[in-house]
Amino acid sequence: AQSVSQHNHHVILSEAASLELGCNYSYGGTVNLFWYVQYPGQHLQLLLKYFSGDPLVKGIKGFEAEFIKSKFSFNLRKPSVQWSDTAEYFCASSSYNTDKLIFGTGTRLQVFP
Amino acid sequence: DTGVSQDPRHKITKRGQNVTFRCDPISEHNRLYWYRQTLGQGPEFLTYFQNEAQLEKSRLLSDRFSAERPKGSFSTLEIQRTEQGDSAMYLCASSLPRSGRTTDTQYFGPGTRLTVL
Repeated sequence: AQSVSQHNHHVILSEAASLELGCNYSYGGTVNLFWYVQYPGQHLQLLLKYFSGDPLVKGIKGFEAEFIKSKFSFNLRKPSVQWSDTAEYFCASSSYNTDKLIFGTGTRLQVFP
Repeated sequence: DTGVSQDPRHKITKRGQNVTFRCDPISEHNRLYWYRQTLGQGPEFLTYFQNEAQLEKSRLLSDRFSAERPKGSFSTLEIQRTEQGDSAMYLCASSLPRSGRTTDTQYFGPGTRLTVL
């Protein structure tokens, strides 16, 4: 069965620090990968997605993620975080033959000024 | 606002009562999804529709849960004989897969928070 793992449950950073959040998926076939963000009091919003092509994907607000097929990973990165990046981040996958999203448990990011 | 809307935003009910939630997708999105999210967890898939047809339903969805999308626009999710374990945030999402794609970005609504006493 498909699953998504996020190993960092809670990350605390100072502004301007670099960020990398881990995401691993378990599915041997063709996958689509997503990172969603949920700011405090707001609904889930898409940060970026990977369907095919260039494995380095750029999203909104300076975020990027790299799909590494050999490692079953899709880690999220940002070179310099801001206080406004404080939020919960969810990695998700879907497979070629089903449209349902499988989510990880999420990573809570706190950025202090 | 042309995003996904859900009603009500909050629902408190007593155990054993029935509840119904409504979701209005983004206009012209033909796919509609329901997810459930509990504290400390990511959203968990429940079911999804393409137009009026319910294409997939999670095995987690007990017989007390039913979802409909009668005219291919809004959808309702009903929970009968609620239990305390049903307390969660119920999320709705919609999408419009582009030609040639089996999937595309899902846009989420604000959710309905259910509390079962």
